[in-house]
Amino acid sequence: GAGVSQSPSNKVTEKGKDVELRCDPISGHTALYWYRQSLGQGLEFLIYFQGNSAPDKSGLPSDRFSAERTGGSVSTLTIQRTQQEDSAVYLCASSSGGGETQYFGPGTRLLVL
Amino acid sequence: KNEVEQSPQNLTAQEGEFITINCSYSVGISALHWLQQHPGGGIVSLFMLSSGKKKHGRLIATINIQEKHSSLHITASHPRDSAVYICAESTGGTSYGKLTFGQGTILTVHP
Repeated sequence: GAGVSQSPSNKVTEKGKDVELRCDPISGHTALYWYRQSLGQGLEFLIYFQGNSAPDKSGLPSDRFSAERTGGSVSTLTIQRTQQEDSAVYLCASSSGGGETQYFGPGTRLLVL
Repeated sequence: KNEVEQSPQNLTAQEGEFITINCSYSVGISALHWLQQHPGGGIVSLFMLSSGKKKHGRLIATINIQEKHSSLHITASHPRDSAVYICAESTGGTSYGKLTFGQGTILTVHP
């Protein structure tokens, strides 16, 4: 079946603009994770959704970052008033439950000019 | 603070060599993950283990819970094994499965 998909694959934006990144998890997967991979920082956790539970937002770097997951499926990560330091690859992963093997999407490469 | 340390950071090998990548973590975990990322490619989960050893093809992952240490071994290495290998820990609690990553090991296998 289809894996995790993300869109857009690449996004170039100007500093100060808002961006929305989309993740379509594997059908039936209840857990969804957002991670960020930047050149100097490696991979870091951003936010985690599990079923109907309140999301774990502990990794979001500032209040400019937010995410939602509608209907327990598609998720959108929104970055408001983008800054150059937001430039990174944003990765989404899903799993059949918390603690299970995670399947990663191809990522969205964000460049803030 | 959860910390995951990998060694070496860079590893170069000749085709056919046996390769070991090490990972140490600082807190109790629910599972230790090994991931693979090819240049320009996505991330693939290789193993998730909480005890003992797992094997898949030429790849073997081991974990020692008491020593908070895991190793990834590649037997009969091949140039197509060239990639970044990342270990990550997941802890329990309310965010069961959330990953904390090591910095990665860049492996280059020459023919």
